[in-house]
Amino acid sequence: GAGVSQSPRYKVTKRGQDVALRCDPISGHVSLYWYRQALGQGPEFLTYFNYEAQQDKSGLPNDRFSAERPEGSISTLTIQRTEQRDSAMYRCASSRLAGEVRDNEQFFGPGTRLTVL
Amino acid sequence: AQSVTQLDSQVPVFEEAPVELRCNYSSSVSVYLFWYVQYPNQGLQLLLKYLSGSTLVKGINGFEAEFNKSQTSFHLRKPSVHISDTAEYFCAVSPSFYNTDKLIFGTGTRLQVFP
Repeated sequence: GAGVSQSPRYKVTKRGQDVALRCDPISGHVSLYWYRQALGQGPEFLTYFNYEAQQDKSGLPNDRFSAERPEGSISTLTIQRTEQRDSAMYRCASSRLAGEVRDNEQFFGPGTRLTVL
Repeated sequence: AQSVTQLDSQVPVFEEAPVELRCNYSSSVSVYLFWYVQYPNQGLQLLLKYLSGSTLVKGINGFEAEFNKSQTSFHLRKPSVHISDTAEYFCAVSPSFYNTDKLIFGTGTRLQVFP
């Protein structure tokens, strides 16, 4: 079946512009996660959802970052007034249901490479 | 809070040689431990995970890892590597106490296998 998809795969924008990154999880997966990966670093947790409810947004760096998942499926990560330091790979993952690690696995999408000029 | 340290940023090795990728973690609570692999232009893929029980965990592609609680380590090993194992490998932890699968990753180790 289809895996996690993300779009666009590459996004180049000018400083100050808003960007919206999309994640389409595996069908039926309840939990959806956003991570950010800077060059030479491991992925860093941003936020996650169970269904449409945002359960934890402790990793969002500031109020320019927001995420939504209004119908419990597709999610959008929005960055307002982008800055050069926002340049990174943004990764999305989905799993059947958070908190059930024993039979669970996060499946990652290919990521969106964001470059802010 | 939890943290993960991968001391080796790059590991070069010849094909068919054994390899060990090191991972140490720090946590005040019990954690679950994971190794992920990232091939170029692809998403991260789970290699193996330790939840409880036997400290030696076997994963896909012939990889295994051993959980050592006293040394807070979870090193990844393979007895004989192939060219196709060239990739970036990430160690990660997830706090087992909370109802979340939030992953905390190390900085990664790039495994380069030479013919």
